[in-house]
Amino acid sequence: GPKVLQIPSHQIIDMGQMVTLNCDPVSNHLYFYWYKQILGQQMEFLVNFYNGKVMEKSKLFKDQFSVERPDGSYFTLKIQPTALEDSAVYFCASSLGGAGAETLYFGSGTRLTVL
Amino acid sequence: GDSVTQTEGPVTVSESESLIINCTYSATSIAYPNLFWYVRYPGEGLQLLLKVITAGQKGSSRGFEATYNKETTSFHLQKASVQESDSAVYYCALGDRTNYNVLYFGSGTKLTVEP
Repeated sequence: GPKVLQIPSHQIIDMGQMVTLNCDPVSNHLYFYWYKQILGQQMEFLVNFYNGKVMEKSKLFKDQFSVERPDGSYFTLKIQPTALEDSAVYFCASSLGGAGAETLYFGSGTRLTVL
Repeated sequence: GDSVTQTEGPVTVSESESLIINCTYSATSIAYPNLFWYVRYPGEGLQLLLKVITAGQKGSSRGFEATYNKETTSFHLQKASVQESDSAVYYCALGDRTNYNVLYFGSGTKLTVEP
């Protein structure tokens, strides 16, 4: 089936540094998402993105977070500066449509460790 | 708030046994809930197993079934006879069809099927 690729699978950085998480969504998809899962907790919605704009964001999507799809291919989540509580697995997803019953296709996640 | 509670894992069953993973939801701010089961096989991204968008309907896929019960606010996942290849982590999720595919996930249930 369609694949969403996330690179790298694990990233380690020092607190205060900037990090960019990369996502290669399904090629013809138009809606993009980031979810966050802290170890031992539920996966939680961060943000969704369509047509160059953030459509919805949760309270977890702090001011230090930003998303973009600069060249029409990779969808990125940037955190600047990072904090210890940003350590989590970040999952990217994409979907063809934006209605509430759409199937989301998820990547395998990037584990971010902030030291 | 809007949330999902599912069977705490891990769950271990023997091949050919029956399985039920419980899922209940709370949709206090969602007028038209959609319900999903997603599954993560080892080394892969989360993928949709089945979804139901109408109360009272049943969804099925790969031998799994789940019925959207609005009265009991439940969406339990069942399979009559599991196989070793069903070993995975299963996530129940609640969506809002009016809200750009924001999903509320349960904590996941790790299933191991023993030969």
